Amino acid sequence: QQPVQSPQAVILREGEDAVINCSSSKALYSVHWYRQKHGEAPVFLMILLKGGEQKGHDKISASFNEKKQQSSLYLTASQLSYSGTYFCGTANNAGGTSYGKLTFGQGTILTVHP
Amino acid sequence: NAGVTQTPKFRVLKTGQSMTLLCAQDMNHEYMYWYRQDPGMGLRLIHYSVGEGTTAKGEVPDGYNVSRLKKQNFLLGLESAAPSQTSVYFCASSYPRTGQNTEAFFGQGTRLTVV
Repeated sequence: QQPVQSPQAVILREGEDAVINCSSSKALYSVHWYRQKHGEAPVFLMILLKGGEQKGHDKISASFNEKKQQSSLYLTASQLSYSGTYFCGTANNAGGTSYGKLTFGQGTILTVHP
Repeated sequence: NAGVTQTPKFRVLKTGQSMTLLCAQDMNHEYMYWYRQDPGMGLRLIHYSVGEGTTAKGEVPDGYNVSRLKKQNFLLGLESAAPSQTSVYFCASSYPRTGQNTEAFFGQGTRLTVV
């Protein structure tokens, strides 16, 4: 079953913060975050593995709450380059049994204005 | 370093025609995938392969066939195209790591329109 992302869309001005949530009805092993710009391929941002870890990449970070089966992506001090559609992809098993297959959410459209 | 390359980038088909989409990766990845992307639906897995000569069904396999005769190539075929197969198709690849999932590398996509 597809994870649910919220919000569906968000509009920001440069420098503002945003949070994108990803919720699953199934137990999760890992959550993957990707960003896709219009007309381009999805690009990997980060993976969070079971264990509730939090990761960061520049001013983009994420958390994974396995008990709640949720992940959140935090974008701090947003830049124009952050605009795009953000997808979470979930895996229910470890790599050896899931073969890297992901179930993606429907996406969150982020628009950053000057 | 090309990464994942898809051909063609655009195609218009008439209902009932057939075609093959080609995906090639130069990263020596074991795993390869075909996804389709439709507005508001995210990416949905069509078929995948865990190694040369292997294929398996994903979430939405009906109407598609695949083959992986060489490790670096993964072909997606539409035998009799239908308007419902109008979509953007993405190929991706990744490498296995025991106990972990690793990042997927995506191709640039093929925009297919069936009229």
